[in-house]
Amino acid sequence: EDKVVQSPLSLVVHEGDTVTLNCSYEVTNFRSLLWYKQEKKAPTFLFMLTSSGIEKKSGRLSSILDKKELSSILNITATQTGDSAIYLCAVVSGNQFYFGTGTSLTVIP
Amino acid sequence: DSGVTQTPKHLITATGQRVTLRCSPRSGDLSVYWYQQSLDQGLQFLIHYYNGEERAKGNILERFSAQQFPDLHSELNLSSLELGDSALYFCASSVEPAGGPIPQYFGAGTRLSVL
Repeated sequence: EDKVVQSPLSLVVHEGDTVTLNCSYEVTNFRSLLWYKQEKKAPTFLFMLTSSGIEKKSGRLSSILDKKELSSILNITATQTGDSAIYLCAVVSGNQFYFGTGTSLTVIP
Repeated sequence: DSGVTQTPKHLITATGQRVTLRCSPRSGDLSVYWYQQSLDQGLQFLIHYYNGEERAKGNILERFSAQQFPDLHSELNLSSLELGDSALYFCASSVEPAGGPIPQYFGAGTRLSVL
């Protein structure tokens, strides 16, 4: 059974801290891994990863895929209160998307 | 604004009823995906259509059905509603089918409350 597991489930940090969110997967036909940020509404796309070891970066956010370890991490440096959200990891296996349950990040001023 | 439009935003109905949720994808996108998000189960993939044809089915109940029309908008029909069907239903679209180099973009969702 294909599955995606994210950890931790929840994280509370102070502004300025650096956080690392984890996503591990077990799927039969891996094609890509995606990270989304969900605030009070629809998930918004952050990164798509298909190749191992190549870091994707956008401002204070970065992500990397490790196909050998079947995992990905999302790093956020110098966190801000606006980073508070649920971060979702999704893996495309065949024609289907499998989402993890997300990591809830709360950044305290 | 992702460009994906979902209507209605909120829907309150009673058990046993039938409802239709509508999704208009971004201009040019051929793929439409439906998801259900409930508090205890996270985001669950329901079904995927590409250019009018069903491409993949996820955890979609037999009481649920969907279709994609020639103008590429899609409808998700939920019948014989139960309390447990209360959830946020998202539609997402992309240019290509799953696995292509283009990610999905999500609509704002329809919140369904079954009383």
